[in-house]
Amino acid sequence: DAGVTQSPTHLIKTRGQQVTLRCSPKSGHDTVSWYQQALGQGPQFIFQYYEEEERQRGNFPDRFSGHQFPNYSSELNVNALLLGDSALYLCASSLNTGALKNGYTFGSGTRLTVV
Amino acid sequence: KQEVTQIPAALSVPEGENLVLNCSFTDSAIYNLQWFRQDPGKGLTSLLLIQSSQREQTSGRLNASLDKSSGRSTLYIAASQPGDSATYLCAPGDAGNTPLVFGKGTRLSVIA
Repeated sequence: DAGVTQSPTHLIKTRGQQVTLRCSPKSGHDTVSWYQQALGQGPQFIFQYYEEEERQRGNFPDRFSGHQFPNYSSELNVNALLLGDSALYLCASSLNTGALKNGYTFGSGTRLTVV
Repeated sequence: KQEVTQIPAALSVPEGENLVLNCSFTDSAIYNLQWFRQDPGKGLTSLLLIQSSQREQTSGRLNASLDKSSGRSTLYIAASQPGDSATYLCAPGDAGNTPLVFGKGTRLSVIA
């Protein structure tokens, strides 16, 4: 049973560029959440997608946007990259009706470095 | 707004010791609490999920307890091993798919 898959694993971008990160949820899960984790900090919630719509959003600017596809996979897009966007980006999947019982499953993350 | 604090921030112990990691949260109206392990630069691996109706959950050498009314959870690791070295994060879950809130974690080093 495949877990959460994220791609790419590492990425280096230049300030001002745009980046797209991808996530495939665990088999059977229908909800995808994205988190940003700066070095030495806990993960911070960016947004959550369910039924191809953004359901909840954390305190992140509009430069951060996302998408969920009919197969439940998801993308995170960041425009006009800043040095401060350098972080580990984590994708977590869950079952909309089962998060309480089964919790969240996280991927291995994408390390984004902005230079 | 839920806030999570984990104490200690870092811990170094010799191999074989039993140890306790602490997690406190400000909003006790939670439905569950999940403990995760994170190796440097890697993703989060779920260790234990405790429902609010439970007081303890065990997996191998790990035992997690939950005192919802006092806003506290502890993770007990028995007979620690160098392979246990990692950062441990706790995250209370409010309801349904409410986003998880994390503290900064406890960085554990087990010395052989």
